[in-house]
Amino acid sequence: NAGVTQTPKFQVLKTGQSMTLQCAQDMNHNSMYWYRQDPGMGLRLIYYSASEGTTDKGEVPNGYNVSRLNKREFSLRLESAAPSQTSVYFCASSERGVATDTQYFGPGTRLTVL
Amino acid sequence: ILNVEQSPQSLHVQEGDSTNFTCSFPSSNFYALHWYRWETAKSPEALFVMTLNGDEKKKGRISATLNTKEGYSYLYIKGSQPEDSATYLCAPGGGADGLTFGKGTHLIIQP
Repeated sequence: NAGVTQTPKFQVLKTGQSMTLQCAQDMNHNSMYWYRQDPGMGLRLIYYSASEGTTDKGEVPNGYNVSRLNKREFSLRLESAAPSQTSVYFCASSERGVATDTQYFGPGTRLTVL
Repeated sequence: ILNVEQSPQSLHVQEGDSTNFTCSFPSSNFYALHWYRWETAKSPEALFVMTLNGDEKKKGRISATLNTKEGYSYLYIKGSQPEDSATYLCAPGGGADGLTFGKGTHLIIQP
């Protein structure tokens, strides 16, 4: 039982390049989330998927797109990377997406945009 | 977006001492309050989720209390150990639209 996995662990991009961050969970959870973590800003929600087939914007969605490929997988795409997107990205999942549900986090992807 | 305040931002504590810190959140439309522990170079791990006013949860030397009427929660660590060094995050609300995290209290235990 791997929990939440993310690939890659590290990535360096040049401004304008695109990439997709992959996330998968094996806990049969309905809800999945993408956060970014920046110094002094804490964790901020980028996008979430309450259930398979649905996605919604979080606090900081600009410059990102997401795909809930199936119940297990939720990917985050940067179409044209900018230095402001240098950050650590965390994927998380929860069982039902209700207020009392614990969210389980992946190990993170450290992205640098030059 | 909920306004979540955690204080202090950072805290240095001698090994063996006890300590506590605060999370403040809007008291209206309250559903739940989560506490997470986040060690450097790792991912956040859940400590507690609390829902009822007056709730108190305990895990080993760590405990938390909740006051939903005034919108605050305390996290207590008794007899701090070096392995308690981490950032402690609180997050009210939650549900399908994610958690709103505070910026955390960065705790350093000095031997």
